[in-house]
Formats: sequence, structure tokens, C-alpha cells
Amino acid sequence: AQSVTQLDSQVPVFEEAPVELRCNYSSSVSVYLFWYVQYPNQGLQLLLKYLSGSTLVKGINGFEAEFNKSQTSFHLRKPSVHISDTAEYFCAVIMVGNSGYALNFGKGTSLLVTP
Amino acid sequence: ETGVTQSPTHLIKTRGQQVTLRCSSQSGHNTVSWYQQALGQGPQFIFQYYREEENGRGNFPPRFSGLQFPNYSSELNVNALELDDSALYLCASSLKLAGDTDTQYFGPGTRLTVL
Repeated sequence: AQSVTQLDSQVPVFEEAPVELRCNYSSSVSVYLFWYVQYPNQGLQLLLKYLSGSTLVKGINGFEAEFNKSQTSFHLRKPSVHISDTAEYFCAVIMVGNSGYALNFGKGTSLLVTP
Repeated sequence: ETGVTQSPTHLIKTRGQQVTLRCSSQSGHNTVSWYQQALGQGPQFIFQYYREEENGRGNFPPRFSGLQFPNYSSELNVNALELDDSALYLCASSLKLAGDTDTQYFGPGTRLTVL
């Protein structure tokens, strides 16, 4: 079985400050990792993904994430946030097997950026 | 290139009724996955269709069923609606190639309210 834990349900941060959204997973097999963002009343937009190769992954809107196999983590970071980054962020893991390529999501982290 | 579209945007039904939600996949994609997102939660995998066949299923009862058509669009049908079925239903399309991990791109969702 696989599970995804997003350690913070809410993260308040001031504009132009750095931010880190934490994600840990548990899995007995190799994984593929994703971060999605969801703006109010919208669907999910892919921020970045890790499939293989370099453990530091760069995505859209200045976000990046680092895959740490020994700590089973995939934390999302941005050096300087904007008001427009206020949204819900979801970490997800691919399950390969009986359920095909299904995304297993964490419960989400609400990022609130204030002036 | 058109993105993933879903219809309707919002829907209100009563307990015991049946509902059909529709999804048009992104141009060139051959796989459709459906997710249920309850309020304040991460999306939960319902099932996936690849080339008109169910390719995997999450922990949802048989009253949740689906179809994929030759043009790769898809329907999600839910029978005997229950109050707990109230949620945002997300469709995601992807291009599944042999030996590859497909990235899923989401539509804006259908908000279903069951009274």
C-alpha cells in the first residue's frame, strides 16, 4: 500500500518570503511523484513531477521540489512567493499495479500569502 | 491544443437519483481517469479507462460506473445517489504509451450536490 502525508494543512506566509510545503510518502516500490496546485473553484494544474534522473525538479511559476529517497520526501519550495500563489497544493504518488496509473493524493496544504 | 473539458459545471440531484457526468479528453490523449474530491480533501481515484476498457479501479462501489468512447471522451455514471456522493468530480486525461508513466492533466471538474 502507498500513502501520502502532507504535514501542514495550512501555511501562512508573507509576500516575497520563502516557503516550503512538506510531503512524505510511504511505499514498498519505486514511485513517481507529483505536485499539483488548485485555485479556488478550479481543477488541478500540474506544477512539477519527478519520474527519474536528477532529484531536484523545477516546475512552473518558480517552484521546485527535491526527491529524497532515504527520507521518502518530496518537499515543494519557492524562494519568494506572490499573492497569486495563494491556493491549495497537493502532493501525489503514482500507484502502479492493480489500479493502473492512479494518482494517490495527500490531503492538501493551503498556502495563504499575505502582503 | 484543447484542454480537458467537463460538463456540466454544477449539478443538483436528490438521493436515489442517477447522474451522468461527461469529460472530453485533451487532444491526442487515450486515457481518462476519474477522481472524487470531497470538500477539504484530496482527490480519490475512482477508475481509469484506456482504449475503452477499464484499466484500474479504486475503492468505490459498483454503482459508480463509466464508459470511454472511440474518440476517448468519457462518462461517469453514479446510480442510487447518496448524500456522501456530494463532491467535486474531476476528470484527467493522459497519453499512455508502452513502458511510460503518463502525466495526467485535469479538467475543471463538476460540482455535484446531492440533497
